[in-house]
Amino acid sequence: QSVLTQPPSVSAAPGQKVTISCSGSRSNIGNNYVSWYQQLPGTAPKLLIYENDNRPSGIPDRFSGSKSGTSATLGITGLQTGDEADYYCGTWDGGLSAPYVFGTGTKVSVL
Amino acid sequence: QVQLVESGGGLVKPGGSLRLSCAASGFSFSDCYMSWIRQAPGKGLEWLSYISGSGYTIYYADSVKGRFTISRDNAKKSLYLQMHSLRAEDTAVYYCARGEGGVGFDSWGQGTLVTVSS
Repeated sequence: QSVLTQPPSVSAAPGQKVTISCSGSRSNIGNNYVSWYQQLPGTAPKLLIYENDNRPSGIPDRFSGSKSGTSATLGITGLQTGDEADYYCGTWDGGLSAPYVFGTGTKVSVL
Repeated sequence: QVQLVESGGGLVKPGGSLRLSCAASGFSFSDCYMSWIRQAPGKGLEWLSYISGSGYTIYYADSVKGRFTISRDNAKKSLYLQMHSLRAEDTAVYYCARGEGGVGFDSWGQGTLVTVSS
């Protein structure tokens, strides 16, 4: 069972905005950078956001990340059908059985 | 471009062993931390282990500590995961990824499926 909690699903119409929360604790999000990953159906995950709010080269600015305290948020604006995927947050955890932990995952659906 | 290609997955009986490989290309392999991450069918991601570029620093998740061993051969640009005492709950797609998570895992392989079943 993951220590980072995400909503199971979020949905919105094309062109709209969605936000995905990732809730943790001081031992993980509170003291470490957060990354976000997109996993399209049947494919390997892809890095979307690193160090809380940075986008790797090639990731459109429709994707944004933020962190406050022990929570992080991924935002997707101008939602497209191609954004339908599972999204995971991840970070280091200084207090548990795995140095690195992923969130529970959120399925984004485009209505 | 960065490429990671896993191999070695398959069907194994409970209690059995398997060795996964990950062939890397397109970057300076010996300079990079590498990790193994798995995903059980229909489930989320689970980080398993990482190894530093030199191979001297290694970490494991408790779920695999003592059963799995990560290693690398920088001359062959290859990463390995030796798995022993496999259990049904180890059934998953196993990914190798570049990095140790601090700045994210920025490249992933396509994954290799391991099925533990009698």
